[in-house]
Amino acid sequence: NAGVTQTPKFRVLKTGQSMTLLCAQDMNHEYMYWYRQDPGMGLRLIHYSVGEGTTAKGEVPDGYNVSRLKKQNFLLGLESAAPSQTSVYFCASSSVPIGELFFGEGSRLTVL
Amino acid sequence: AQSVTQLDSHVSVSEGTPVLLRCNYSSSYSPSLFWYVQHPNKGLQLLLKYTSAATLVKGINGFEAEFKKSETSFHLTKPSAHMSDAAEYFCVVRGNSGYALNFGKGTSLLVTP
Repeated sequence: NAGVTQTPKFRVLKTGQSMTLLCAQDMNHEYMYWYRQDPGMGLRLIHYSVGEGTTAKGEVPDGYNVSRLKKQNFLLGLESAAPSQTSVYFCASSSVPIGELFFGEGSRLTVL
Repeated sequence: AQSVTQLDSHVSVSEGTPVLLRCNYSSSYSPSLFWYVQHPNKGLQLLLKYTSAATLVKGINGFEAEFKKSETSFHLTKPSAHMSDAAEYFCVVRGNSGYALNFGKGTSLLVTP
């Protein structure tokens, strides 16, 4: 069972470059989330979506954009990467609000 | 604002001894609270959740947590630690938006032989 799949798992960028992280879930979940995890900071919500075609800002949205064109996919974009965006990014999905979150295994991004 | 504070960043126990990971919450209404576990280089997995039913919540792998409104606490316990319990544990509360969850900073559990 695939669950939540994130690609790529690792990426190194130079400052100013752009990239997109893809999250795909095969559980038909309505709700999808992007978090970033930094040492000693726990997980912080970047953006989330409550259904196809919807997105909303989380706690730390600056420098990121998202899209949810298809129910199963949630894309996180960095238009101009900065060293402060070096982090591990986690995608998660849930079937109901405040339900159990199912996480991907993370994408480690380094911005030089 | 709904938030949680994990009182210990690191906890070390010996195998076979009890585990206590402490979490205090702040919420303006009856909270929804969770504990998640993250094993090294893995995603997070739900251990248990409290949603205003029983105050003692049982989760997977022998963990349980007790909701204490008077103390605004939701501590995670396990009677006997196993080596496989070594991981990062996160206390989580429902956020203001109603859709998002707010994570604590995590407690790293070390289990020694």
